[in-house]
Amino acid sequence: NAGVTQTPKFRVLKTGQSMTLLCAQDMNHEYMYWYRQDPGMGLRLIHYSVGEGTTAKGEVPDGYNVSRLKKQNFLLGLESAAPSQTSVYFCASKINQALNTEAFFGQGTRLTVV
Amino acid sequence: AQKITQTQPGMFVQEKEAVTLDCTYDTSDPSYGLFWYKQPSSGEMIFLIYQGSYDQQNATEGRYSLNFQKARKSANLVISASQLGDSAMYFCAMKGIIQGAQKLVFGQGTRLTINP
Repeated sequence: NAGVTQTPKFRVLKTGQSMTLLCAQDMNHEYMYWYRQDPGMGLRLIHYSVGEGTTAKGEVPDGYNVSRLKKQNFLLGLESAAPSQTSVYFCASKINQALNTEAFFGQGTRLTVV
Repeated sequence: AQKITQTQPGMFVQEKEAVTLDCTYDTSDPSYGLFWYKQPSSGEMIFLIYQGSYDQQNATEGRYSLNFQKARKSANLVISASQLGDSAMYFCAMKGIIQGAQKLVFGQGTRLTINP
């Protein structure tokens, strides 16, 4: 029962470095999301995808890019990391657009940019 | 725009007491869903309970119940007979159609601490 898997779980970057966070789900879900969690601000949506080959901007997309080349994978890229991107990142997926279907979350990636 | 507000940054409750976590929402969509998630110190997000905007009855899942008051746009989580393991962050979230696509919007969270 893998569910939603995020890699890596922890990472420290220097300002200006780039990296890619991988989210993989084995539940054949259509929708996938990337959130960031910061103290006192809850989870904020960065980008999302409603199906393979599609991506769209969320609430806080600046500084991030995403790709969904395969249905099961949703990649979040930081081209030039900044200290303001220090956060915990969560990936989530859900099977379809029905309102009563829950979103399943990965375990999070703690990213520190120094 | 859709918005979720949780006005209690932190709550402290004695073990075995009931606790109510507040959540108010704002949306113009007639159809939406409301969720509560628990985030323990280990960091994962655990789904607790769901309430649909057209559901006639308040949702219940074991010790969790959702006090849904549609006219007031509130969806408070009630935990009965609290346990030490209930200590965690709790997030209220709303699912609805924003700009043609379904999104899940979260509140700021409430940190619940259960005292022995």
